[in-house]
Amino acid sequence: DGGITQSPKYLFRKEGQNVTLSCEQNLNHDAMYWYRQDPGQGLRLIYYSQIVNDFQKGDIAEGYSVSREKKESFPLTVTSAQKNPTAFYLCASSIYVGYEQYFGPGTRLTVT
Amino acid sequence: EDKVVQSPLSLVVHEGDTVTLNCSYEVTNFRSLLWYKQEKKAPTFLFMLTSSGIEKKSGRLSSILDKKELFSILNITATQTGDSAVYLCAVEGNYGQNFVFGPGTRLSVLP
Repeated sequence: DGGITQSPKYLFRKEGQNVTLSCEQNLNHDAMYWYRQDPGQGLRLIYYSQIVNDFQKGDIAEGYSVSREKKESFPLTVTSAQKNPTAFYLCASSIYVGYEQYFGPGTRLTVT
Repeated sequence: EDKVVQSPLSLVVHEGDTVTLNCSYEVTNFRSLLWYKQEKKAPTFLFMLTSSGIEKKSGRLSSILDKKELFSILNITATQTGDSAVYLCAVEGNYGQNFVFGPGTRLSVLP
């Protein structure tokens, strides 16, 4: 089955720890994205990648880092510098940037 | 600053009603407007609109874009309880390099 997987579904971390969220797709899409969703707000773009070994900051990149070493994978690291990391994180992909995006199921990160 | 405004933010109707959801935007170098249905957290894509005046239709859902007035509407006819969800409007600007999402309209369809 083609699709996007994110793991884990729920993640708990202590304040001050870095944590990496996984996102994998087997749709052969070039572009991948990370979004954050908070209650009462629209999705906000954290980072996106147009192609392997390339990534660009989105609207709220501070406190996050990404890598794109493989086409299928776009992990997101939430660093201790992120002031308010507790949120729902969505990964998406599209065949190219600007085409319809397909979303993963999301990861709920809770930092205490 | 690029922005997307959706209205209403919340809407409660009964099955069989017709609803119209609104999305207005300001974005640099507009490329497309997208509608998503979000239920159980992950949004699913509904429509992508790039040209004014051309209605996109999928079953009971339809949408149209007005690039002159910078808005789009999403219509749902003969609503069903399964239509209950948050409907997100997103605009792609800056030649595809920027995505801006609205806050969403929460639609509740009562039996």
